[in-house]
Amino acid sequence: SQQGEEDPQALSIQEGENATMNCSYKTSINNLQWYRQNSGRGLVHLILIRSNEREKHSGRLRVTLDTSKKSSSLLITASRAADTASYFCARGAGGFKTIFGAGTRLFVKA
Amino acid sequence: SQTIHQWPATLVQPVGSPLSLECTVEGTSNPNLYWYRQAAGRGLQLLFYSVGIGQISSEVPQNLSASRPQDRQFILSSKKLLLSDSGFYLCAWSGPGGSDSPLHFGNGTRLTVT
Repeated sequence: SQQGEEDPQALSIQEGENATMNCSYKTSINNLQWYRQNSGRGLVHLILIRSNEREKHSGRLRVTLDTSKKSSSLLITASRAADTASYFCARGAGGFKTIFGAGTRLFVKA
Repeated sequence: SQTIHQWPATLVQPVGSPLSLECTVEGTSNPNLYWYRQAAGRGLQLLFYSVGIGQISSEVPQNLSASRPQDRQFILSSKKLLLSDSGFYLCAWSGPGGSDSPLHFGNGTRLTVT
């Protein structure tokens, strides 16, 4: 499969804790993107990190990329109940095809 | 600012009936347009993309087709729906960078074929 592998498939944490989601891929990339999807809704773009970047921040989100290990992680700090959603990594490998993983379902308990 | 509209939000259709899902984008010119399908609890599968009016690229052979009659309008169609066409259909647009640009999604259409 060309899809990335996300780990874990599901994650349940308490409000205020940090949430870490991991993504691995098999082929070369131009960039790695993270998206969020609330139940029954479209995906919302969170962060795009290019292959020559190692870390990127946006508010409470921190994304790292290790191209030697073909992996990326998304860290959400001080999680809130409103962060409950599915999170997807997607890789851009050139052309017009952005390839999505199966996602991690995050549940933040208030 | 750019917005993307997708309708209908939900649709229940019998097997063998036709399908037409519409997507329009506002606030940007010459966007790249995409149709994705998401099976329950799964990632997204790219079905079609378009870089301009009348230009359609198909990623997965199936009984669906797409058309782009106007710069900011993208339509997904079928002449005869199959049970396996059930799913969550998402339209998206991106800037000129293709997969080097982030995707901006509509809110999707939940299609149930009965």
